[in-house]
Amino acid sequence: SQQGEEDPQALSIQEGENATMNCSYKTSINNLQWYRQNSGRGLVHLILIRSNEREKHSGRLRVTLDTSKKSSSLLITASRAADTASYFCATDEAGAGGTSYGKLTFGQGTILTVHP
Amino acid sequence: DTAVSQTPKYLVTQMGNDKSIKCEQNLGHDTMYWYKQDSKKFLKIMFSYNNKELIINETVPNRFSPKSPDKAHLNLHINSLELGDSAVYFCASSQVIPTLRDSANYGYTFGSGTRLTVV
Repeated sequence: SQQGEEDPQALSIQEGENATMNCSYKTSINNLQWYRQNSGRGLVHLILIRSNEREKHSGRLRVTLDTSKKSSSLLITASRAADTASYFCATDEAGAGGTSYGKLTFGQGTILTVHP
Repeated sequence: DTAVSQTPKYLVTQMGNDKSIKCEQNLGHDTMYWYKQDSKKFLKIMFSYNNKELIINETVPNRFSPKSPDKAHLNLHINSLELGDSAVYFCASSQVIPTLRDSANYGYTFGSGTRLTVV
């Protein structure tokens, strides 16, 4: 079953603007991860935030996690044309005692287009 | 190069044929996966293997049979291909060890995908 839902489905912005994507999920998680997929390519891991973390930064990326609302957001600051891609959130569902079921469950993605 | 590599990149075949997709990782990861991405870009897990042992078989038809000769390889064989099998198949690996406490927090490394078209 699909775990995450992403919002918006598509986002179109100008270079230099910030892009915010949201993700909601349904179960208890160990962590939430964001991936980027360029057209016709594989997924690239961007950032992982653990269930006991609320915010994480990596370069121009800022991820927040609200486990009470079962939601996360990815902010890309000062966007560039090269950021044009699909962005997916994925959750590692929590098993007993911090174990993993050994799979990521993906949202349907946000297509980001950054215009030069 | 350290990576997850899968072959072939493109596969066009007729209905009813049998085909295989190969995947290898040289990252020393313990767990490997097959994911299917449909035409709407929805990604769904098919199988996972931890050190050659099947962990997840996510209600995939019996026509799909994964094989892991060692922990660095996970191949996918598909029998009697159907039109609905057309999709992009991604191999991935991670350091996650299912059922091991506190081992979940690793990212996955994906291959570049195999676009399967059944005609």
